[in-house]
Amino acid sequence: GAGVSQSPSNKVTEKGKDVELRCDPISGHTALYWYRQSLGQGLEFLIYFQGNSAPDKSGLPSDRFSAERTGGSVSTLTIQRTQQEDSAVYLCASSLLGTISDNYGYTFGSGTRLTVV
Amino acid sequence: GDSVTQMEGPVTLSEEAFLTINCTYTATGYPSLFWYVQYPGEGLQLLLKATKADDKGSNKGFEATYRKETTSFHLEKGSVQVSDSAVYFCALWSNTGKLIFGQGTTLQVKP
Repeated sequence: GAGVSQSPSNKVTEKGKDVELRCDPISGHTALYWYRQSLGQGLEFLIYFQGNSAPDKSGLPSDRFSAERTGGSVSTLTIQRTQQEDSAVYLCASSLLGTISDNYGYTFGSGTRLTVV
Repeated sequence: GDSVTQMEGPVTLSEEAFLTINCTYTATGYPSLFWYVQYPGEGLQLLLKATKADDKGSNKGFEATYRKETTSFHLEKGSVQVSDSAVYFCALWSNTGKLIFGQGTTLQVKP
């Protein structure tokens, strides 16, 4: 597609429920990233995909968080047994190569605002 | 490891004032450098970039010059407007395959 698409744009869930957040990157972009932005905070890196594999998942805060990417395209971030501290905006980005020689940087989606009540 | 340090905010300026937001980095080699902007209620957008030493990135009246001697990429604008109020993020391409972001600097421009 023309841009990075994320869905849903807003999600309110009850504590303890599981949620799935979806990211559809720009067609042809090999690298895909998930970040989290809490209220008034900077960008917290979660996980990065190169194709379908995740060479860096160091930012996932706990084993309740997981992500997958299929067909080198769509990615899903799953949060199990959500907690109130999971409330944040979850941002997805993609880039053409995902390497230091990629001069285009990231294109970000508009994010999913997750509220756990 | 690679890192980016930005000046702490918030920065509050009057309209038409000169803006500088400092950004310094630590990295191996000479990575591409970026400034991203996040307007209230919106997602992050690429503002400008520079891919090698002494390059100047520019967009919407903003400029930043890649200075390898001082490992800096300071963002400047000669005359800010209320519409420039936003959060600004400096970033570099890390050899770990991802962008490393600074903590962000909030700019508030008052009429």
